[in-house]
Amino acid sequence: GENVEQHPSTLSVQEGDSAVIKCTYSDSASNYFPWYKQELGKRPQLIIDIRSNVGEKKDQRIAVTLNKTAKHFSLHITETQPEDSAVYFCAASLIGARQLTFGSGTQLTVLP
Amino acid sequence: NAGVTQTPKFQVLKTGQSMTLQCAQDMNHEYMSWYRQDPGMGLRLIHYSVGAGITDQGEVPNGYNVSRSTTEDFPLRLLSAAPSQTSVYFCASSYSAGGVGNTIYFGEGSWLTVV
Repeated sequence: GENVEQHPSTLSVQEGDSAVIKCTYSDSASNYFPWYKQELGKRPQLIIDIRSNVGEKKDQRIAVTLNKTAKHFSLHITETQPEDSAVYFCAASLIGARQLTFGSGTQLTVLP
Repeated sequence: NAGVTQTPKFQVLKTGQSMTLQCAQDMNHEYMSWYRQDPGMGLRLIHYSVGAGITDQGEVPNGYNVSRSTTEDFPLRLLSAAPSQTSVYFCASSYSAGGVGNTIYFGEGSWLTVV
């Protein structure tokens, strides 16, 4: 089955700086890569996803890049704000599959 | 439209007790699932269902049972609680019967402690 590794496990940045979280996956057939954000004590919520037919996708301050050859994808957050502080999970799978495999999560702290 | 609703939010169990975590969704989603979240281990799939009457095991199914008698409800049963089942449990649903490729909507979580 799919295996997703996520790094780093914790990340602290100064407000206004950029943050990058990286994930690698094992199954070359995977073609769907979502990112979920979980604020403290809250439920995870989808913030952005990418499918393998594109290499990059942006939504305001958030972008995701995908390198299918190297089997890794990354979340980029620019101009970080205190409300970006949360745990971020990457995930990977094949579209139409029955299971989505999550990474172990990254605790992002944005320091004022 | 309440989304995904799960109860209870907090529960303390004694070792060996059984209990059911309730989950309901009002979005007419075919795909429903249960995850557990443990520190440093992300979200791990326990069981899932692609429609009423159809369930299957995920990554960590041992010690849990599920059933799906209606599209709306997907309860998770702990048969004989063990301290290793202390965790935060999330119910989730998604539009597609195929599951992956569509947004997963999570419930608010259930904090379970087994003593």
